[in-house]
Amino acid sequence: DTGVSQDPRHKITKRGQNVTFRCDPISEHNRLYWYRQTLGQGPEFLTYFQNEAQLEKSRLLSDRFSAERPKGSFSTLEIQRTEQGDSAMYLCASSRGQGSSQPQHFGDGTRLSIL
Amino acid sequence: EDQVTQSPEALRLQEGESSSLNCSYTVSGLRGLFWYRQDPGKGPEFLFTLYSAGEEKEKERLKATLTKKESFLHITAPKPEDSATYLCAVQEVEDSSYKLIFGSGTRLLVRP
Repeated sequence: DTGVSQDPRHKITKRGQNVTFRCDPISEHNRLYWYRQTLGQGPEFLTYFQNEAQLEKSRLLSDRFSAERPKGSFSTLEIQRTEQGDSAMYLCASSRGQGSSQPQHFGDGTRLSIL
Repeated sequence: EDQVTQSPEALRLQEGESSSLNCSYTVSGLRGLFWYRQDPGKGPEFLFTLYSAGEEKEKERLKATLTKKESFLHITAPKPEDSATYLCAVQEVEDSSYKLIFGSGTRLLVRP
């Protein structure tokens, strides 16, 4: 179990630029989640994948955001035309998909700063 | 609307001074309640899952309990290395995504 890996750890970009983050979940986990966390707040749900299928998206996920999980392995989250309000920590989590509720295991996130 | 409220927002303890953190929740049906620890610049680290009222879980100096409306995280004789933000999250029974709804956390500082 190597844990959930996220890349990059930090991203600084100018307003209006596009950014892409990558998440590698724990290998046997078929559920993958993206959350966003701002200072002093708990993580907020953005989107959920079961294998390669994106099954739920939050109202927080505007049309500038897109997420993929090709082949049900790693996932990417892209933000187009970044805005100041996109500055946050973007967290990825994964869990097993069978039986009763399984804990989600988080990566250490990508911190996005918009200049 | 589902809500998770944690109190206090911040807590300062002397080493060895036991205390409790509170997490109150309002959901239509609870699938599970989760406690996480988060260190600065890191992702949340899983601690416990509680499923039904009356359930208790323990790990070292931490003990989590659950009632129908709230959960407590009891910290016995804390050490400075217990300093972190403690997050509570719930899953709703009718939510097929199993997404977590988090509170804002309690920032714990344990002084030597």
